[in-house]
Amino acid sequence: AQKITQTQPGMFVQEKEAVTLDCTYDTSDQSYGLFWYKQPSSGEMIFLIYQGSYDEQNATEGRYSLNFQKARKSANLVISASQLGDSAMYFCAMREGGDRDDKIIFGKGTRLHILP
Amino acid sequence: DAGVIQSPRHEVTEMGQEVTLRCKPISGHDYLFWYRQTMMRGLELLIYFNNNVPIDDSGMPEDRFSAKMPNASFSTLKIQPSEPRDSAVYFCASSFLPGTSGAEQETQYFGPGTRLLVL
Repeated sequence: AQKITQTQPGMFVQEKEAVTLDCTYDTSDQSYGLFWYKQPSSGEMIFLIYQGSYDEQNATEGRYSLNFQKARKSANLVISASQLGDSAMYFCAMREGGDRDDKIIFGKGTRLHILP
Repeated sequence: DAGVIQSPRHEVTEMGQEVTLRCKPISGHDYLFWYRQTMMRGLELLIYFNNNVPIDDSGMPEDRFSAKMPNASFSTLKIQPSEPRDSAVYFCASSFLPGTSGAEQETQYFGPGTRLLVL
């Protein structure tokens, strides 16, 4: 079973609209971390935002926010006021808790296209 | 901080040749990760190190792949002999010791990647 599921392989959104990229995760651990990365066409992997499982408030970083719904095991990324430069591949990822589990598991990604 | 540094950025080689990819992690980071990204398989973790010691190499595809970390500031990923199916983007990433709360401790920071093409 997939640990990280991103159900939207591709999305097209009009510039200046808000975007929600879906991510659900599967873990039995109580302590874990959730991440979103952006990969533009240039290829680099850019860290966007992090949410710890014990964080009570949703993480925010500028125009990015993470809609964390723990009971639903959902960690959607919200981009407000989208810009053309937001066009990229977006990856949701998780680090599970547990002793010495240091790996991050990545989803397959969502390709976001911002339309002018 | 300069971030994670990888070299070369692009490599084109012929099948059968040895390929060496290099990585300099962010200073102070305890962990170093090597990933491979292809269209078909997405982002795969190949191997990772903690304090220069390989912890998990279960993602290394076969014996043709080897990785070393002789010191805290340098790691190599070697493919010998290379094959066309090794063509991919190879990323190096580093992080602090995870397991403690907070984005700074948890987050892996990626290098720019090495785009490898084996003909």
